Amino acid sequence: GAVVSQHPSWVICKSGTSVKIECRSLDFQATTMFWYRQFPKQSLMLMATSNEGSKATYEQGVEKDKFLINHASLTLSTLTVTSAHPEDSSFYICSASKQGDGYTFGSGTRLTVV
Amino acid sequence: DAKTTQPTSMDCAEGRAANLPCNHSTISGNEYVYWYRQIHSQGPQYIIHGLKNNETNEMASLIITEDRKSSTLILPHATLRDTAVYYCIVRPNNAGGTSYGKLTFGQGTILTVHP
Repeated sequence: GAVVSQHPSWVICKSGTSVKIECRSLDFQATTMFWYRQFPKQSLMLMATSNEGSKATYEQGVEKDKFLINHASLTLSTLTVTSAHPEDSSFYICSASKQGDGYTFGSGTRLTVV
Repeated sequence: DAKTTQPTSMDCAEGRAANLPCNHSTISGNEYVYWYRQIHSQGPQYIIHGLKNNETNEMASLIITEDRKSSTLILPHATLRDTAVYYCIVRPNNAGGTSYGKLTFGQGTILTVHP
């Protein structure tokens, strides 16, 4: 079956630093990848959609300069949280889609900014 | 995007069938119904999806009403490991629209399976 690997599974960083999260589709080529954020006891909130080789499309209210998304290949997308602050602490989850049908999620990254 | 309505929480005894309802009364003809679940601190796991016909796989069955305004996810023999948040999602299938392919999560149903 389709497998999506997300790394790291958890990270602690100091306020003001940047953190990069990787999302890889291991056994299929992902035409589209999605990034979500989930705060405690809340549902997943879609942050952005990225297609390989093109700029990501961000959801309303998501700062594109703060959450940099790169989808350089059909198997890798990265999310960089720039100048992280405590309010950015959250559970970040990626999802990969193969030709828009079938969505596989990564295991998530717990980001804590201190 | 069509919105979905699910009960906040449900309980089920181990070994019994768990029937999770979902209302999607504004669904349009080309939109699919997807079900995912999320166990605490993990990524969502795909369960099943359908368009019009009822579907069954090794995990569950999906019953969609004839008017497609609601559906029910059935876990035939619930186990303790089925305790999770279950999300019913309607996915647009309009390739020319801005929301093509996105999965928008609602609040889901917290299913608790007890011994």
